[in-house]
Amino acid sequence: ETGVTQTPRHLVMGMTNKKSLKCEQHLGHNAMYWYKQSAKKPLELMFVYNFKEQTENNSVPSRFSPECPNSSHLFLHLHTLQPEDSALYLCASRIGATGELFFGEGSRLTVL
Amino acid sequence: EDKVVQSPLSLVVHEGDTVTLNCSYEVTNFRSLLWYKQEKKAPTFLFMLTSSGIEKKSGRLSSILDKKELFSILNITATQTGDSAVYLCAVDRGSGGSNYKLTFGKGTLLTVNP
Repeated sequence: ETGVTQTPRHLVMGMTNKKSLKCEQHLGHNAMYWYKQSAKKPLELMFVYNFKEQTENNSVPSRFSPECPNSSHLFLHLHTLQPEDSALYLCASRIGATGELFFGEGSRLTVL
Repeated sequence: EDKVVQSPLSLVVHEGDTVTLNCSYEVTNFRSLLWYKQEKKAPTFLFMLTSSGIEKKSGRLSSILDKKELFSILNITATQTGDSAVYLCAVDRGSGGSNYKLTFGKGTLLTVNP
């Protein structure tokens, strides 16, 4: 148990659906991240939020829309996704600019 | 562009063997290098290295950083089947302000057979 909770753990959606992934941490961390993990590829950074402000958008398509209402919660809103978006989406948090990331268990997304 | 290269990409050993995993990097404003173990889902933290030549150790695992040659190694001695996992290397760069980016390698898949 890392203190970072992601829901849902598994999600299957059609290309026209709209869904959201949720991440929650109560570690007192101020930085939160979304990473995408596809087979045989490195973890790809998607978004970084620091004190609720987005500080990194790694050229992510607009069909992925992040939201960070406060330092403890992070969402990833999904709409009109493509089958190649199927992957494990990992949320992580960190206390500041240094130190290790604490990862959630991930949300396994399948787009049909 | 930041680059992190891990080798080998996969490795199969027998219980009791010693393994060495490699991570080389090219990154501007290097700050630290981190190792993670990923078994099923969430990567779990192993080590963070910031200084050259200082070995970090935790049980049968150890790691060291060479900032001149831009690489790190992760050693596992007396391997056990529970060490089977993907080992991820990540490099943290600092550029001041609010830059909080970690770049990961592809990982090394270690399989330890009984």
